Amino acid sequence: KQEVTQIPAALSVPEGENLVLNCSFTDSAIYNLQWFRQDPGKGLTSLLLIQSSQREQTSGRLNASLDKSSGRSTLYIAASQPGDSATYLCAVRPDQGGSEKLVFGKGTKLTVNP
Amino acid sequence: NAGVTQTPKFQVLKTGQSMTLQCAQDMNHEYMSWYRQDPGMGLRLIHYSVGAGITDQGEVPNGYNVSRSTTEDFPLRLLSAAPSQTSVYFCASRPQTRGGYTFGSGTRLTVV
Repeated sequence: KQEVTQIPAALSVPEGENLVLNCSFTDSAIYNLQWFRQDPGKGLTSLLLIQSSQREQTSGRLNASLDKSSGRSTLYIAASQPGDSATYLCAVRPDQGGSEKLVFGKGTKLTVNP
Repeated sequence: NAGVTQTPKFQVLKTGQSMTLQCAQDMNHEYMSWYRQDPGMGLRLIHYSVGAGITDQGEVPNGYNVSRSTTEDFPLRLLSAAPSQTSVYFCASRPQTRGGYTFGSGTRLTVV
């Protein structure tokens, strides 16, 4: 059974710091991995999608990496800003025929202090 | 381009009442799903659809029904609401190709 773990559960940093959020998964048979951002009381906003054949994806100050063999992904946020404060969720789509179930981690709650 | 639209945003039901949560997407996505999000439990898949006329159960389907008569719409029906169904419900869609999921803004449901 695929399980996704995100460490740390919460992180507080001063504005301007570069930071890394971690995501690990137990089964390397994944189709892709997606990072989301969730603001309090809001929906999920997709940040980056990495296909199983890719090593990394970049969007602005965000860079996500994927090491499928070791079951790990990281989300790197450069020059953090107070507006980056949110919960970040990692989700994997298992590579099983007909599977539509995204397996989510429980998230990392990020606070960026001015 | 509205993406995935969910209505209502908030709803309070009495135990035993029924209701339908609406979900519509305008991206011509084949795949649509319903998730519920509960504190400490994360997001769990309720039902999903791989195209019009085709639906299947997810991880926690009991107490919910779905149908998919069009590509755009995927309503979730609560047959007889129970307090255990108090949750935030998210609808999501993705294209048939290698794209990722787009989520709606959610419906916060309270059953008293």
